[in-house]
Amino acid sequence: NAGVTQTPKFQVLKTGQSMTLQCAQDMNHEYMSWYRQDPGMGLRLIHYSVGAGITDQGEVPNGYNVSRSTTEDFPLRLLSAAPSQTSVYFCASSYYSNLNTEAFFGQGTRLTVV
Amino acid sequence: GNSVTQMEGPVTLSEEAFLTINCTYTATGYPSLFWYVQYPGEGLQLLLKATKADDKGSNKGFEATYRKETTSFHLEKGSVQVSDSAVYFCALMIQGAQKLVFGQGTRLTINP
Repeated sequence: NAGVTQTPKFQVLKTGQSMTLQCAQDMNHEYMSWYRQDPGMGLRLIHYSVGAGITDQGEVPNGYNVSRSTTEDFPLRLLSAAPSQTSVYFCASSYYSNLNTEAFFGQGTRLTVV
Repeated sequence: GNSVTQMEGPVTLSEEAFLTINCTYTATGYPSLFWYVQYPGEGLQLLLKATKADDKGSNKGFEATYRKETTSFHLEKGSVQVSDSAVYFCALMIQGAQKLVFGQGTRLTINP
């Protein structure tokens, strides 16, 4: 039971570098999303997807890109890293069936931009 | 818009004390409501949920009731343990996009 798998767990980037945070789920969920967690601010939605080929912006999308070519994978790309993007990033997948719904989270990626 | 407001922390209690963490929400439509828990260095785990008004979610001695009339989903536990020390997040999910809106989190510390 892998659930939602995020890689890497830790990453240090220099300002201006780019990188991709990987997220994969094996539960065949239609819905996937990316959040960032900053102290005192809870989790904020960056981007989300309601199915393969469909993505949309969340609350804080600037500086990030996503794509959803398969149901399983939802990578998050940082185009040109900035210190303000230092955060913990969580990927989630969720389902909706017969009024029942739940989101499952990965273990997170702690990113530091120096 | 959609938003969640949680009781500000940190909250420090003694073991076996009664716990309440307040959570109120604003939402368009009929959201599902959740409490997630985050232990140090870990991801978020679902603690309990409620999908419609008057539903009560419960797990590990924690309870919360979906109150539409007061737009609230307060978390309660009758007797807390040291192992309950964690950060607790209240969240709502709007149907259609299945994306979550979180409160700011409440850090709970239980002293023996």
